[in-house]
Amino acid sequence: KQEVTQIPAALSVPEGENLVLNCSFTDSAIYNLQWFRQDPGKGLTSLLLIQSSQREQTSGRLNASLDKSSGRSTLYIAASQPGDSATYLCAVVNQGGKLIFGQGTELSVKP
Amino acid sequence: NAGVTQTPKFQVLKTGQSMTLQCAQDMNHEYMSWYRQDPGMGLRLIHYSVGAGITDQGEVPNGYNVSRSTTEDFPLRLLSAAPSQTSVYFCASSYSRTGGSKKLFFGSGTQLSVL
Repeated sequence: KQEVTQIPAALSVPEGENLVLNCSFTDSAIYNLQWFRQDPGKGLTSLLLIQSSQREQTSGRLNASLDKSSGRSTLYIAASQPGDSATYLCAVVNQGGKLIFGQGTELSVKP
Repeated sequence: NAGVTQTPKFQVLKTGQSMTLQCAQDMNHEYMSWYRQDPGMGLRLIHYSVGAGITDQGEVPNGYNVSRSTTEDFPLRLLSAAPSQTSVYFCASSYSRTGGSKKLFFGSGTQLSVL
């Protein structure tokens, strides 16, 4: 059974710092991996989607990498801003198209 | 663009009551799904649909019914609410019939409390 783990559960950094969020999964037979952002009381917003054949995807200050063989993905946020404060979730997609979510990392960027 | 619209945003029920959570999308997505989000449990798939007239069970389907009579709407029914169904419910949709192969778009959620 696929399990997705995100460590740490919470992270607090000063504004301007570069940071890395981690996601690990137990079964490497995935279709893709997606990173989401969730603001308090809101739904999830898709940030990046990495196909299983890809190594990384970039969008603005965000860069996500995927290493299927080791069962790991990282989300790199450059020059963090207070507006980046949110919970970040990763989800792996199995061959049937179903998403399995991690429990998220709650990020706080202090001014 | 409205995207994925969920109603109501908040609901309080008594044990044994029934209700329907509404979900509508205006993006002509084939795939629609319902998740519940609980502290310490993450998001778990309840039911999903890959097109009008087609539904299937997810990870935690017990106590919930769904139907998909149109492409746009995917209501979630609680037939006899239980305190264990207290949660935040999210509807999500995708271009792809296999759901996760394309980006998933989420509604803003329904916070349900069952007393």
